[in-house]
Amino acid sequence: AQSVAQPEDQVNVAEGNPLTVKCTYSVSGNPYLFWYVQYPNRGLQFLLKYITGDNLVKGSYGFEAEFNKSQTSFHLKKPSALVSDSALYFCAEVQTQGVDSNYQLIWGAGTKLIIKP
Amino acid sequence: NAGVTQTPKFRVLKTGQSMTLLCAQDMNHEYMYWYRQDPGMGLRLIHYSVGEGTTAKGEVPDGYNVSRLKKQNFLLGLESAAPSQTSVYFCASSYRTSGRTGELFFGEGSRLTVL
Repeated sequence: AQSVAQPEDQVNVAEGNPLTVKCTYSVSGNPYLFWYVQYPNRGLQFLLKYITGDNLVKGSYGFEAEFNKSQTSFHLKKPSALVSDSALYFCAEVQTQGVDSNYQLIWGAGTKLIIKP
Repeated sequence: NAGVTQTPKFRVLKTGQSMTLLCAQDMNHEYMYWYRQDPGMGLRLIHYSVGEGTTAKGEVPDGYNVSRLKKQNFLLGLESAAPSQTSVYFCASSYRTSGRTGELFFGEGSRLTVL
């Protein structure tokens, strides 16, 4: 079965330092991959996606993600962390169910990102 | 811009009670979803709908029912609440063409506690 793994429950980074939040996926072929962010007591917000093309995808709030097919990874990155980046981050992958209208997302368990001043 | 609105935001139930969560979206999205979020488990899909009058089961449908009588509304019902249904529930919606691209719009969540 398809699965998405986020190996770190929590990531701590000092403000101004680069950050990486890790994600690995399981499907072979050409995955559709996403990152969402959840701020405290809020719903999830779409950050960025990889469908095809350039392996480095740029998204909202200065975030980017690197797709690596050989390592089946889609790590989220930012060159310089802000305290306001502290949130819960979810990686997700589209699951195909054979019917065009019924694509669903497979979610990772989430990684709590804490940026310390 | 209301987006996706969930009501109520908080609710405490006793075991065996019933309730309905309402999700409303004003973006004319075809697809709507109900998820539950539990610590360390990410999001799990309960039910979803690809259009008015149609619903389908997701990963964890047991104990829940849904209805989509109007395109803008998606209701999630608990007929007989159990403590295992204590969770935060999220509604989401998307355009049909976004089904593969995964761009969902989420409500702010409904926190349900079953005693």
